[in-house]
Amino acid sequence: AQRVTQPEKLLSVFKGAPVELKCNYSYSGSPELFWYVQYSRQRLQLLLRHISRESIKGFTADLNKGETSFHLKKPFAQEEDSAMYYCAQGGSYIPTFGRGTSLIVHP
Amino acid sequence: GAGVSQSPSNKVTEKGKDVELRCDPISGHTALYWYRQSLGQGLEFLIYFQGNSAPDKSGLPSDRFSAERTGGSVSTLTIQRTQQEDSAVYLCASSLEGRGVETQYFGPGTRLLVL
Repeated sequence: AQRVTQPEKLLSVFKGAPVELKCNYSYSGSPELFWYVQYSRQRLQLLLRHISRESIKGFTADLNKGETSFHLKKPFAQEEDSAMYYCAQGGSYIPTFGRGTSLIVHP
Repeated sequence: GAGVSQSPSNKVTEKGKDVELRCDPISGHTALYWYRQSLGQGLEFLIYFQGNSAPDKSGLPSDRFSAERTGGSVSTLTIQRTQQEDSAVYLCASSLEGRGVETQYFGPGTRLLVL
């Protein structure tokens, strides 16, 4: 069974600081990995997916197969980045979600 | 176009009562998922529908939970004899074909409180 681990329940940083939200996934030959975000009072939505190799709202995530990681990074956090972030692994019909990390960016 | 919609947005019920939660997926999406979101537990998969295939019910926590999808579109999640531990936000999501590489589109959720 797939497993996605987000070790931090809460990550608290100050505006302008770098942020890294950790995600580790279970081994899979060709993993399909996603980051979803839920802002306050909004629905859960896709932030980015690894196959797109794009930067969304300044966030990037690199797939590291050797470490089975897909950490989400942003060099300079903004207050509007405060949200709940979920890492998810696809590849099967039912995606597996991590438990989520709550990011709080203080002014 | 319209996104995934869910109703009601909030539901307060008494322990022991039955509740029905509704989900309208995006038109044309053949795959539909129900999840439960609770503090500290993250997103818990409940049930998955794909077209006319038999649903995958492997995530349902007990036989008090059931779901159906009529006409390949609207889905209803039913919780019988609700318990306080059923209190959570119930999310519905749909995707185009239900393959693991696809983006899931989520509804706003139904916040259930069992007193």
